[in-house]
Amino acid sequence: NAGVTQTPKFQVLKTGQSMTLQCAQDMNHNSMYWYRQDPGMGLRLIYYSASEGTTDKGEVPNGYNVSRLNKREFSLRLESAAPSQTSVYFCASSEESPRYSNQPQHFGDGTRLSIL
Amino acid sequence: AQSVAQPEDQVNVAEGNPLTVKCTYSVSGNPYLFWYVQYPNRGLQFLLKYITGDNLVKGSYGFEAEFNKSQTSFHLKKPSALVSDSALYFCAVRDGRDDKIIFGKGTRLHILP
Repeated sequence: NAGVTQTPKFQVLKTGQSMTLQCAQDMNHNSMYWYRQDPGMGLRLIYYSASEGTTDKGEVPNGYNVSRLNKREFSLRLESAAPSQTSVYFCASSEESPRYSNQPQHFGDGTRLSIL
Repeated sequence: AQSVAQPEDQVNVAEGNPLTVKCTYSVSGNPYLFWYVQYPNRGLQFLLKYITGDNLVKGSYGFEAEFNKSQTSFHLKKPSALVSDSALYFCAVRDGRDDKIIFGKGTRLHILP
């Protein structure tokens, strides 16, 4: 059972470079999420997709774009990376949107991204 | 707006002693509360949740949490700590009307042998 798979696991970028973080889940979940985790800040929601074909901004969307490619895949793109985007990025999925379900989120193991 | 607070950045407990990790919340509607655990270099794992019903909720690995509506708290507890419980613990809350779950900043739990 793979669950939520994120690629790559590590990446170093130079300021201004672009990159796409990939996420795929094999649990047939409707909802998917992107978070960033910074020391002392906990997890902050960047974007989420309550269902296939929809995306919405979270708490910290600036500098990011997302694509819900299909039900399984939800990618996060940094168009022009900045040092402030150095972080650990987590993708998560849940059976339904929290608005309609109380099922927990399932997390990938993260992408550790450094912007020089 | 909903919010969640974990007042302790770190909690140290001797192995075999009871442990408590604190969480308080604020929502405008009915709260839905969760605890997650994160081990090094891993994603968050679900431990337990409170939706409705009994105020004492039991979860994975012997953990339990007590919902207290008057104090707006949802503290995580375990009767006897293990060294393997050392990890980062996150409390999370959502308003019953929202798509999003808000996470606390996390509490690092150290169990001392």
